[in-house]
Amino acid sequence: NAGVMQNPRHLVRRRGQEARLRCSPMKGHSHVYWYRQLPEEGLKFMVYLQKENIIDESGMPKERFSAEFPKEGPSILRIQQVVRGDSAAYFCASSPLGSFILHFGPGTRLLVL
Amino acid sequence: SQQGEEDPQALSIQEGENATMNCSYKTSINNLQWYRQNSGRGLVHLILIRSNEREKHSGRLRVTLDTSKKSSSLLITASRAADTASYFCATDHYNQGGKLIFGQGTELSVKP
Repeated sequence: NAGVMQNPRHLVRRRGQEARLRCSPMKGHSHVYWYRQLPEEGLKFMVYLQKENIIDESGMPKERFSAEFPKEGPSILRIQQVVRGDSAAYFCASSPLGSFILHFGPGTRLLVL
Repeated sequence: SQQGEEDPQALSIQEGENATMNCSYKTSINNLQWYRQNSGRGLVHLILIRSNEREKHSGRLRVTLDTSKKSSSLLITASRAADTASYFCATDHYNQGGKLIFGQGTELSVKP
């Protein structure tokens, strides 16, 4: 049973470009979470999704950031017109229905030049 | 903010010693969890303690929870060099859905 998969593992973008981060949850997991981690800091909640529904996006910036978890395919975190402050590690986690235990992917490290 | 706080921020011990990390939170919780993160990797779940539990054990790990003080501690006994990592507490709260709120973490270094 493969764990949570994220790609790419590393992503370099220039200011103003778009970044697309992908997350495939563990098999059988219906919930996906995105977190952001700045160097030497803890994880900051961004968004919580179920298939085709955003449950909680209270941690996501109102502008430039969006997330989806379609019926088929991976969850996508999209950052438009990236700025240097978006440089961080972005972690995806998944859980089965009814569980509070999160299974994390290896993260995508975004660097904005 | 419900963000938890952990102390110490960094801890350095010798192999074989015990390591204790503390976590405090601000509002009532459903559950509290501890996660471990090796450098450059994702987080791995270690242990979950429910709000009506006071202590839980898993191998060399012992977690305590004091809801009156809104605090928890993680004890790692007989530490090994391989325990070197960052340790985070995470809480889920009433009326907050399933999201976890993470603390800032304690960076543990175990010297051989």
